[in-house]
Amino acid sequence: EPEVTQTPSHQVTQMGQEVILRCVPISNHLYFYWYRQILGQKVEFLVSFYNNEISEKSEIFDDQFSVERPDGSNFTLKIRSTKLEDSAMYFCASRAPGTGEGGEQYFGPGTRLTVT
Amino acid sequence: AQSVTQLDSQVPVFEEAPVELRCNYSSSVSVYLFWYVQYPNQGLQLLLKYLSGSTLVKGINGFEAEFNKSQTSFHLRKPSVHISDTAEYFCAVSDPDGGSQGNLIFGKGTKLSVKP
Repeated sequence: EPEVTQTPSHQVTQMGQEVILRCVPISNHLYFYWYRQILGQKVEFLVSFYNNEISEKSEIFDDQFSVERPDGSNFTLKIRSTKLEDSAMYFCASRAPGTGEGGEQYFGPGTRLTVT
Repeated sequence: AQSVTQLDSQVPVFEEAPVELRCNYSSSVSVYLFWYVQYPNQGLQLLLKYLSGSTLVKGINGFEAEFNKSQTSFHLRKPSVHISDTAEYFCAVSDPDGGSQGNLIFGKGTKLSVKP
């Protein structure tokens, strides 16, 4: 069964460093999302992406964050200068075309980012 | 803006007992409602969803949920749980009229622990 994959599973970085979290969505999906979950808190929406551009972003997704689909398979989240409060589990998700806003989002296993 | 409340952070239950995991959402004209499950070291997996129609929704692994518009609730139930149901369960909503791409708003999650 097709699945969303994410690398790395765990990333440790120092404050102020740039990190890139990578996701490979399911191959025929066209809608892509990033969510994050700070330990003990809710899963929070960060950004949605369709047709090579951001569809919507939350207040969390400030100028330090960017997303890119550099080729036909990868979907990346970059944090330009990490802060301690960026430490969280980051989930990528994708959704098939034609499924509408109620369509199932398929989630990856997450990348745990630890900023020291 | 939509919000989701899962009142119980942890629910311990014995094997073969019934369970109900509670979810309430903030009022809106229309919503899409979802329950996701997360097993250890895995991504979020869709259990079931309500988009429209019958208020009783059946999902995978014997789970069901009932949409109650007057009480703005979408509680998840299973009549007899198994050890393998031990996981974290997330309730989520999206706003079909919000012009978004189905971005999900999550609750904080409920950890179900099934004991033998």
